[in-house]
Amino acid sequence: EAQLVESGGGLVQPGGSLRLSCTASGFTFSTYWMSWVRQAPGKGLEWVANINQDGSEEYYVDSVKGRFTISRDNAKNSLYLQMNSLRAEDTAMYYCARDSSQRFRFDPWGQGTLVTVSS
Amino acid sequence: DIVMTQSPDSLAVSLGERATIKCKSSQNVLYSSNNKDYLAWYQQKPGQPPKLLIYWVSTRESGVPDRFSGSGSGTDFTLTISSLQAEDVAVYYCQQYYTTPPTFGQGTKVEIK
Repeated sequence: EAQLVESGGGLVQPGGSLRLSCTASGFTFSTYWMSWVRQAPGKGLEWVANINQDGSEEYYVDSVKGRFTISRDNAKNSLYLQMNSLRAEDTAMYYCARDSSQRFRFDPWGQGTLVTVSS
Repeated sequence: DIVMTQSPDSLAVSLGERATIKCKSSQNVLYSSNNKDYLAWYQQKPGQPPKLLIYWVSTRESGVPDRFSGSGSGTDFTLTISSLQAEDVAVYYCQQYYTTPPTFGQGTKVEIK
C-alpha cells in the first residue's frame, strides 16, 4: 500500500524559512510525479508545486514562485519543499501527494504537516 | 487559471436520502485528443487528508462504494451520493487536472439532517 509521511512543519516567524520532508513507501517513488498541496485552517485546497520523476521539471503556483523550491531524492524515496521568505498567508497544513497515473490527479495523500507563520 | 465553483457550500441530507453536489469550471476541461474530461472528486473527512473518490468524471477509485457517482461534461459536473450514510459526512471537492495549475472547488460540506 502506498504511503506518504510528512515532517518538518512548525512555528516560524514571518520572513523565516522551513524545509518540509515527505517519505514515501509502498510504491516505486522514482516513477511518479509528486506534489505539495496546502490547506489553510478552515479553508480549501491549493496546489503548491510539483516535480517530475527525475527532478528535471518543477512547477509552482504563482504565489510561491521565487520563494519555495521543490526537490526530491529518489535514492531516499523522499520529497522536499524548501520554503523561504515565509508570510502569514503561507500558514497551512501542507500535504505531500503522489500524482497518480495521471499528472495532477492526487492519490494518495499524506497526513500533512502544519506550518504556522506568526510572530 | 481555471476557476472551479461548487454549489451549494453546504447541505444537510437525511440518512438514506440523495445528496447532489454541483461543480462548474470556468473553462472546458475536455481534452479533445482523448475525449476525456479532466475532472476528479475528493472526499475529506474531519481531521483527515483528502481521498480521491472519482476521476475522469465518473470512474470510481477502487474501494469506493457504488452509492457515489459522477456525471457531466465540458464545464458542468455533478457528484451524487444516492443514499447518504453516516460515514459520508465530509467535505467534498471537485478538481480539474486539465492544466497547470490544477485547481479545486471551494468545497461542499455534507451533513446529516
